[in-house]
Amino acid sequence: ILNVEQSPQSLHVQEGDSTNFTCSFPSSNFYALHWYRWETAKSPEALFVMTLNGDEKKKGRISATLNTKEGYSYLYIKGSQPEDSATYLCASRGGTASKLTFGTGTRLQVTL
Amino acid sequence: GAVVSQHPSRVICKSGTSVKIECRSLDFQATTMFWYRQFPKQSLMLMATSNEGSKATYEQGVEKDKFLINHASLTLSTLTVTSAHPEDSSFYICSARGGVGNTIYFGEGSWLTVV
Repeated sequence: ILNVEQSPQSLHVQEGDSTNFTCSFPSSNFYALHWYRWETAKSPEALFVMTLNGDEKKKGRISATLNTKEGYSYLYIKGSQPEDSATYLCASRGGTASKLTFGTGTRLQVTL
Repeated sequence: GAVVSQHPSRVICKSGTSVKIECRSLDFQATTMFWYRQFPKQSLMLMATSNEGSKATYEQGVEKDKFLINHASLTLSTLTVTSAHPEDSSFYICSARGGVGNTIYFGEGSWLTVV
């Protein structure tokens, strides 16, 4: 994997459903993996910064896991709510450089 | 939480003119600010990294004479698109690093349309 890839591109779930999506990134020279939540017309909001293989972070109903050896991270949302509707971006950081390389995002829509 | 304000949120300019976009960190000092551009259905692409008081570092393929970046203070960076052309029409967004944990915070972005 040379770039950061996210799947699916978009997702439509019903309120109460649990869901997850994937971020794949280059595993060589890995430094950190960032997840952002981006609502329309707002600033991307930082959710997690993950650095260690096997890391698992949680914030309310949202959690994320990290596998640096195989180069992927999963974001899980438990019991989706309409307010979870947003685009979820992941970004990889290689080495100690500040540069973030972003995926194209997963657009989540949660309906009643 | 830390806030980064970007202005204007939308701007329309005529081809050949210049337009300036501001990025301010409102409640923290940002030693480093980043400027990204996003074309439809593509990812955020880093254009340049600016450090307060020094010249910006541009990514490969980004014309430094066309996209002028000034980071004159710890709370303000500006991006000026000079001699704008319709192909410069895009979404531009800044981020700033600072605050607790040296986190990266984003502005709301600016839609530029060149007619």
